[in-house]
Amino acid sequence: AQTVTQSQPEMSVQEAETVTLSCTYDTSENNYYLFWYKQPPSRQMILVIRQEAYKQQNATENRFSVNFQKAAKSFSLKISDSQLGDTAMYFCAYGGGADGLTFGKGTHLIIQP
Amino acid sequence: KAGVTQTPRYLIKTRGQQVTLSCSPISGHRSVSWYQQTPGQGLQFLFEYFSETQRNKGNFPGRFSGRQFSNSRSEMNVSTLELGDSALYLCASSLGQGRSDTQYFGPGTRLTVL
Repeated sequence: AQTVTQSQPEMSVQEAETVTLSCTYDTSENNYYLFWYKQPPSRQMILVIRQEAYKQQNATENRFSVNFQKAAKSFSLKISDSQLGDTAMYFCAYGGGADGLTFGKGTHLIIQP
Repeated sequence: KAGVTQTPRYLIKTRGQQVTLSCSPISGHRSVSWYQQTPGQGLQFLFEYFSETQRNKGNFPGRFSGRQFSNSRSEMNVSTLELGDSALYLCASSLGQGRSDTQYFGPGTRLTVL
């Protein structure tokens, strides 16, 4: 079974700073997908970014980018120029097996004004 | 295009009762997955439906069941509710059932069991 580990339960940074959230995963598969979802206080899960494992190029979406290290099974999320609206729980998720998405425990990110 | 909708948003039940939650996927999406989110266990996969058939099921007891209709709308049912079933139930839809299909989530149904 796949596992996803997020080692930072909570992080706090100042507005406009850059922050990196860590995620590692364990799998024996070669073809899979990785996702970062954001869950603000409203509890709505919002897709932030996705990465295909077969692509070496790291995915980017505006201020959000990932550092995907397949051999190390690492998938970190970098948020540049952080904004107050970025305050949320961030979940790393693995998509590849037959059991839907496997989520990490989440990182609570707080952006301070 | 409208997003995933879930009804009801909040529900309070007592132990032993049963409950039915509903999910309407994004138009054109044929796959619906359900997840349970609790503070202790985090997000856990319940089951996935595609073309009215359950394709995958997570490690949950048989009290948890679901179905999907021809219009892709899905319902999940929990019978003989237990206190531990209190959770946020999230529904997600995707175009197909392949691992490459991104899942888009609804706002969730908050179930409280007293």
